[in-house]
Amino acid sequence: ETGVTQTPRHLVMGMTNKKSLKCEQHLGHNAMYWYKQSAKKPLELMFVYNFKEQTENNSVPSRFSPECPNSSHLFLHLHTLQPEDSALYLCASSQDLAGGAEQFFGPGTRLTVL
Amino acid sequence: DQQVKQNSPSLSVQEGRISILNCDYTNSMFDYFLWYKKYPAEGPTFLISISSIKDKNEDGRFTVFLNKSAKHLSLHIVPSQPGDSAVYFCAARSTNSGYALNFGKGTSLLVTP
Repeated sequence: ETGVTQTPRHLVMGMTNKKSLKCEQHLGHNAMYWYKQSAKKPLELMFVYNFKEQTENNSVPSRFSPECPNSSHLFLHLHTLQPEDSALYLCASSQDLAGGAEQFFGPGTRLTVL
Repeated sequence: DQQVKQNSPSLSVQEGRISILNCDYTNSMFDYFLWYKKYPAEGPTFLISISSIKDKNEDGRFTVFLNKSAKHLSLHIVPSQPGDSAVYFCAARSTNSGYALNFGKGTSLLVTP
């Protein structure tokens, strides 16, 4: 595997379910990000991790819970979501926060909340 | 409040001609600007970037121009090819907000044969 991978690619869940999104980067980067892309809206930054430490939580509701066990893996745990949380969730990584701005994105998980 | 704006949701250009995608921003603390390209069912792919200390950066068919006084940047693609058809996102980084990227809503480019 190369680049940034995300699983699953598609997820349909009910509002009472608990699910997790997984992201893995094979680029040796130290910073990882979760973004949300809703229809007709720009990408919204959700969380930032740098060297496994969370450096930014962009006022995200607590029903979204990130986890970064190491610099290569990032999870987004989902519970009691709302239909308006349906969106494309993108993971990205970069060498670090300040050194370079280029972020490399995974293909995303298309989430539908029923 | 959206700090990066792409006011044209779509653009259609004939193959071989120049495509010009525009982006405006409001935050004078942005220090780095990037363009990403996105195909359906794929994540955004980094295309080209420019530091705020420069006014032009060129990479093959792609050139990004930055006008700091107007808070405007543009991406020129010449010559345009059908494979360039995709959604293009402008993004900007601010050093006073944890180096997060702020994205525009994107412009859908269609290059017709």
